[in-house]
Amino acid sequence: QKEVEQNSGPLSVPEGAIASLNCTYSDRVSQSFFWYRQYSGKSPELIMSIYSNGDKEDGRFTAQLNKASQYVSLLIRDSQPSDSATYLCAVVFTSGTYKYIFGTGTRLKVLA
Amino acid sequence: SAVISQKPSRDICQRGTSLTIQCQVDSQVTMMFWYRQQPGQSLTLIATANQGSEATYESGFVIDKFPISRPNLTFSTLTVSNMSPEDSSIYLCSAPNGDTEAFFGQGTRLTVV
Repeated sequence: QKEVEQNSGPLSVPEGAIASLNCTYSDRVSQSFFWYRQYSGKSPELIMSIYSNGDKEDGRFTAQLNKASQYVSLLIRDSQPSDSATYLCAVVFTSGTYKYIFGTGTRLKVLA
Repeated sequence: SAVISQKPSRDICQRGTSLTIQCQVDSQVTMMFWYRQQPGQSLTLIATANQGSEATYESGFVIDKFPISRPNLTFSTLTVSNMSPEDSSIYLCSAPNGDTEAFFGQGTRLTVV
């Protein structure tokens, strides 16, 4: 069973703080990892992709990947109320049938 | 990036009937995915639609309930058959860009009464 796990939240942080979102996955051979943001009633939109161990920064967002621990995270610096949304971790599983599997999602609330 | 047009955007259907959801991609894609998103939940993969072969269904989803067509590399349909109120959900189609990001249709909000 291919699984992607996240804390469902809600995770509440004050405006300007760092929000830390975590994700674990079950398949050691996975190579592609994504973070999506989903506002209520909308389709998911891509924030970050990461393929190699370490950190990848894009503006206020930093994705971190540790394949040995099967762990990927997303840090949001200087959190804004507009960042309040559900954040979905997605993993491409390639052992067996190619699948794009989403985690359970973490609801983030940034308090003004 | 690919653009996916999905329709209908929403529908209210009577139980026992069927609804077919269509997704049109503006470029050729090898695979398309169909997801269900129940209220307050994440996306659950229903099946993978490959052109020229049968769709691959995930555990808990069967072809008789969710038949899928993939007649070419730019189009797919998902039918929700013999609907019950438990099928009320958002249905999303998606197409990956190789091993990079997946693009999504706008979603179909289905209510079964």
